[in-house]
Amino acid sequence: SQTIHQWPATLVQPVGSPLSLECTVEGTSNPNLYWYRQAAGRGLQLLFYSIGIDQISSEVPQNLSASRPQDRQFILSSKKLLLSDSGFYLCAWSKTGYGYTFGSGTRLTVV
Amino acid sequence: DQQVKQNSPSLSVQEGRISILNCDYTNSMFDYFLWYKKYPAEGPTFLISISSIKDKNEDGRFTVFLNKSAKHLSLHIVPSQPGDSAVYFCAAPLYNTDKLIFGTGTRLQVFP
Repeated sequence: SQTIHQWPATLVQPVGSPLSLECTVEGTSNPNLYWYRQAAGRGLQLLFYSIGIDQISSEVPQNLSASRPQDRQFILSSKKLLLSDSGFYLCAWSKTGYGYTFGSGTRLTVV
Repeated sequence: DQQVKQNSPSLSVQEGRISILNCDYTNSMFDYFLWYKKYPAEGPTFLISISSIKDKNEDGRFTVFLNKSAKHLSLHIVPSQPGDSAVYFCAAPLYNTDKLIFGTGTRLQVFP
């Protein structure tokens, strides 16, 4: 069966520090991978979308970047965090014709 | 531009009664809609979906209705249970893609 792992679960980082959130998928190959963010009082905003290794599209201009060094690994990064980067970050995977499966999320607080 | 809108940020319903969560969309190219349920500090989980060729889909206590002319869908939960207390998101994939566009969510609280 397919599983998705996302870590860490919570993170408190100072403004200006770097960020690295990791997501891995097991039990499937060549999944579509996504990073979403839920900011306080807002819906789920699609940040990045990847259909394959090193194939990433950015949906909104921002202070973040994403990389997919392996088929089932998706990384969200920042060189310098801003206060506005605080939120709940969700990784998800899908295969065409099937629904999304989300990870358990990372609560990021930038202080 | 918010293509999927959930105008009610919260809803409070007594246990056993019906919960109705609403969702509006602006993109007429949407042809498939999904509802997700999210508990705090967890990822959303799929609840129910509907294709634009239907106007109703039912799964146990959950029914989704679609009114294409009004670009409106609703999720009915009958009877509501305390375990249904969560945030509910309406979503639709962009035409010919797997990218889901989510609404802002409605927080449902079911009280005894």
